Amino acid sequence: GAGVSQSPSNKVTEKGKDVELRCDPISGHTALYWYRQSLGQGLEFLIYFQGNSAPDKSGLPSDRFSAERTGGSVSTLTIQRTQQEDSAVYLCASSPRGGGSTDTQYFGPGTRLTVL
Amino acid sequence: AQSVSQHNHHVILSEAASLELGCNYSYGGTVNLFWYVQYPGQHLQLLLKYFSGDPLVKGIKGFEAEFIKSKFSFNLRKPSVQWSDTAEYFCAVTRAGFQKLVFGTGTRLLVSP
Repeated sequence: GAGVSQSPSNKVTEKGKDVELRCDPISGHTALYWYRQSLGQGLEFLIYFQGNSAPDKSGLPSDRFSAERTGGSVSTLTIQRTQQEDSAVYLCASSPRGGGSTDTQYFGPGTRLTVL
Repeated sequence: AQSVSQHNHHVILSEAASLELGCNYSYGGTVNLFWYVQYPGQHLQLLLKYFSGDPLVKGIKGFEAEFIKSKFSFNLRKPSVQWSDTAEYFCAVTRAGFQKLVFGTGTRLLVSP
């Protein structure tokens, strides 16, 4: 597609429920990233994929968070047993090359997650 | 802690005023520097980046930034702002060999017509 797409655009859930957030990167981009943007913490890195493997998971805040990528394309971020502090905008980005540190990351519109 | 600092959280300017937004980082070693912008209702997009060469980098929409290694700074400038520059601006850094962007807290710019 023309850009990174994410779904859903908005998700409201109850505390304790599981949620899945989806990211479709730009076609042909090999690197994929998840970030979250919240009022208290700003923009934070969560996880980076190179192809289907995740060499850097250092930003995942707890074991309730997991992510996978299949076919070197679509990625799903799963949050189990959601808590109110998980409320944030979850952003996905992709980059065209091998995920080098100079690569431009292209961001999607985000999924706004609200945990009641 | 190693971080990226943006000292101005909110900036209000009139059209045609000059803009300078500060960004400092505290990482040693080789870094790559980025400015991203988020216009109201839109997603983050790259304004400009620096990773080597001329420390004065020109980006889209008339923006430029200067990397001053001795000051660990990468300030964003524009000589004459427009109402359409109203947005939130984020400075970000990657360290050589690492892919994750570390962002500053952002600066909200409001340009009044």
